[in-house]
Amino acid sequence: QVQLQESGPGLVKPSQTLSLTCTVSGGSISSGDYYWSWIRQPPGKGLEWIGYIYYSGSTYYNPSLKSRVTISVDTSKNQFSLKLSSVTAADTAVYYCAREYTNDYGDSEFDYWGQGTLVTVSS
Amino acid sequence: DIQMTQSPSSLSASVGDRVTITCRASQSISSYLNWYQQKPGKAPKLLIYAASSLQSGVPSRFSGSGSGTDFTLTISSLQPEDFATYYCQQSYSTLSITFGQGTRLEIK
Repeated sequence: QVQLQESGPGLVKPSQTLSLTCTVSGGSISSGDYYWSWIRQPPGKGLEWIGYIYYSGSTYYNPSLKSRVTISVDTSKNQFSLKLSSVTAADTAVYYCAREYTNDYGDSEFDYWGQGTLVTVSS
Repeated sequence: DIQMTQSPSSLSASVGDRVTITCRASQSISSYLNWYQQKPGKAPKLLIYAASSLQSGVPSRFSGSGSGTDFTLTISSLQPEDFATYYCQQSYSTLSITFGQGTRLEIK
């Protein structure tokens, strides 16, 4: 059974960089069928896709966050990571990592999710 | 970006009721539409993918339909564990994935 687990600081100061890591167990991050994503949810609000990475290192980011986001992968550790720079209070959210399965027909869906980690931006 | 609009935003229903939630896309997305269930303090759970395919392990009382711009999620007979928030998500534009704003399903 695939499991994803987020880790990182729960409190970040304004203007600093938020850094989170997702550790994947029960499956290889190098499998070609999957993209590895970050999604966030501000308290009491809806879901926002941040971006994803393929095991090869190819990345795709939400255009609204692209200038501040970097996602990287470490296949040797079966981990991928998120960095979000110049954070403000608006970046306070639960951050989820998720696996996106894709098939030959172009369908894709988030089939496994981490439990989520709350990151608060405050001085 | 493709905008996803769900209706209603909230809904009150009773155990045993048949419930339908609607999701509309701002442009055609073929059948690239997924539905998720989220309970308080938990991660979303995939229910339906490709508009109408039931994810493994999901009860058959959940069903999805639609294509193009209009989609529905139906729960045929509400169970106590179904009270949650439901989100649709389009995967047509893989370079800019978007979710609906959510539909909160509450006990009447």
